[in-house]
Amino acid sequence: ETGVTQSPTHLIKTRGQQVTLRCSSQSGHNTVSWYQQALGQGPQFIFQYYREEENGRGNFPPRFSGLQFPNYSSELNVNALELDDSALYLCASSLQGRVSGNTIYFGEGSWLTVV
Amino acid sequence: SQQGEEDPQALSIQEGENATMNCSYKTSINNLQWYRQNSGRGLVHLILIRSNEREKHSGRLRVTLDTSKKSSSLLITASRAADTASYFCATDAGGSGNTGKLIFGQGTTLQVKP
Repeated sequence: ETGVTQSPTHLIKTRGQQVTLRCSSQSGHNTVSWYQQALGQGPQFIFQYYREEENGRGNFPPRFSGLQFPNYSSELNVNALELDDSALYLCASSLQGRVSGNTIYFGEGSWLTVV
Repeated sequence: SQQGEEDPQALSIQEGENATMNCSYKTSINNLQWYRQNSGRGLVHLILIRSNEREKHSGRLRVTLDTSKKSSSLLITASRAADTASYFCATDAGGSGNTGKLIFGQGTTLQVKP
């Protein structure tokens, strides 16, 4: 158990729809990062939120957006879904501002299928 | 783009044997981490090695780092069927090595046969 919970665990959406994925980070962690993992690939960094502000973004289009709330939980929103958005979406929490090499804790992920 | 390239992509061994996975990366790093992922599930942090370290042990795991060759290896000794999983190396995209913005390799899928 990592203390990071994600919901929903599985969902199916139609191309063009919008989806919201949720993440509750480990207690005391102020940083949440989101990753997309296509089948058979390694996870790819989408973006990170630190103290409610976006703190870095990977190579993903603007239709991928996020939020972090005062309790440090987070949402990932994807608009205008495309078939290639089908993947496992992973949330990871960590504590910034500490010494180098903090352990990063991942949730179990949300499986998104776009049909 | 993927920072790390892992080798082999797939590995199948018998229980009790050792498993070695290799990872190469492209840019300078402050640390390198290894993660494990059971099929379709979240990632579990295994071990972190800093750039000034050459070898690190944790239980049956041994990690080496060669910064001159930009490569790392993960050795699992006396493997068990429960070690069957995918293994990923990851480096931190930030200069301080502590940003949490990880760049993962493609992973090695390990199958340990009972």
